[in-house]
Formats: sequence, C-alpha cells, structure tokens
Amino acid sequence: NAGVMQNPRHLVRRRGQEARLRCSPMKGHSHVYWYRQLPEEGLKFMVYLQKENIIDESGMPKERFSAEFPKEGPSILRIQQVVRGDSAAYFCASSLIPGTVTDTQYFGPGTRLTVL
Amino acid sequence: TQLLEQSPQFLSIQEGENLTVYCNSSSVFSSLQWYRQEPGEGPVLLVTVVTGGEVKKLKRLTFQFGDARKDSSLHITAAQPGDTGLYLCAGRGYNNNDMRFGAGTRLTVKP
Repeated sequence: NAGVMQNPRHLVRRRGQEARLRCSPMKGHSHVYWYRQLPEEGLKFMVYLQKENIIDESGMPKERFSAEFPKEGPSILRIQQVVRGDSAAYFCASSLIPGTVTDTQYFGPGTRLTVL
Repeated sequence: TQLLEQSPQFLSIQEGENLTVYCNSSSVFSSLQWYRQEPGEGPVLLVTVVTGGEVKKLKRLTFQFGDARKDSSLHITAAQPGDTGLYLCAGRGYNNNDMRFGAGTRLTVKP
C-alpha cells in the first residue's frame, strides 16, 4: 500500500496523558500537513511541515501541541496533557509539489482520538 | 484568512433526484478542489478547477469554478445512495502553500 499511512487508527487517552499520532507520507512525498476534524465539521488546518522544517504552524494551538517531521521516519503530532476538547479525528496529508495550483494532497485514514 | 462557506450544511434527498451544493468565499483562489469523505475515512480528491468559469464533468458530477474564482458549485444528476458522504471544498490562495477547507455539505441519498 503506497498511500498515506496513519497510526494508530484509534487512540484512547485519559485527561493529562500524552497522545502521539504518526503519519507516513506517500512514497516520494516530503511535504506533510496535519488537520483536525471535529464531529460533523470540516477539516481545520493545523501545521505544514517539510523534512526537518516547520513551514506553517498557524493553525496549531499555542500550548500542548507540537509536530515534527524528522529526516528519517514518520511525522509525529504530539499532544501533551490531553483534555476532553482534544477528542477529534486527526488527518495527515502529503503532497509532492506544494505551491502549484494543481498540487494534490493525499489524505490518510485518520487517527480518532478519544480523551476520557 | 480565506474563509470558505459551504451550503447547504446538510442535504437529504431521494435516489434519482438532482442536487447542487455551493462553496463561496470573498477571497480569490488560484485553484479550488472538491473532496468527498466517507465515514471513518480520509477525504478523497474528486476534482481540481483552476480557470475562472471552468466546468469539469466526472460522470454524474459537474463542477464549476466561478468567473471571479471566488466560488464553486457541484451538481449531481440522478443521485445514488453511493453518493452519500461529506463533500468538502478547499481553496488554495496565491501566496500560500496550504489549502483551506470549508466545513462541508453532508449529503444523504435515500434508496
């Protein structure tokens, strides 16, 4: 399967714990995007990363959230000290040539985070 | 921030009916994309429109990009239960490397 992979698909955490969400982009893609989707809503942009660089984090909450895309390995979205309001589906997308009008973002299946 | 508004938010119709959903903004986009998302899955790209006034057809789906590149519509002819899903539009600005999504239209087609 050469598509975008996310794991885990479902994650349950208690308030105060840390959540780590992983995303492996499509083969050959070095640009990764993270989105959050609340029930019955659309996707909200969180952060855009290239390998080892954060390009745009304008959608990231200022506290508790961080993202990285190391030279080797998947992109990680980390949420520290989770609260119930963090419960949502988190989607990762990757693209090959961002910034072009016809660039396509390919989405993974998402990680559904539930905070108890 | 480029705000995309989609309407209607919810739409429930019978199989065989036609429908149109809309995506509007006060901002101009270099391109606009439509995605469909099914429950439990990520969005899947349907089409990209680039030129103002452009019309693209994908079987029973017809996509139009407004002349001013601020809005778009998706028309489905003879809807089928398999068309059920969340339809999202996403616009790309001229100065951004990322896209902004609308909240979506949730379509239910009843057999």
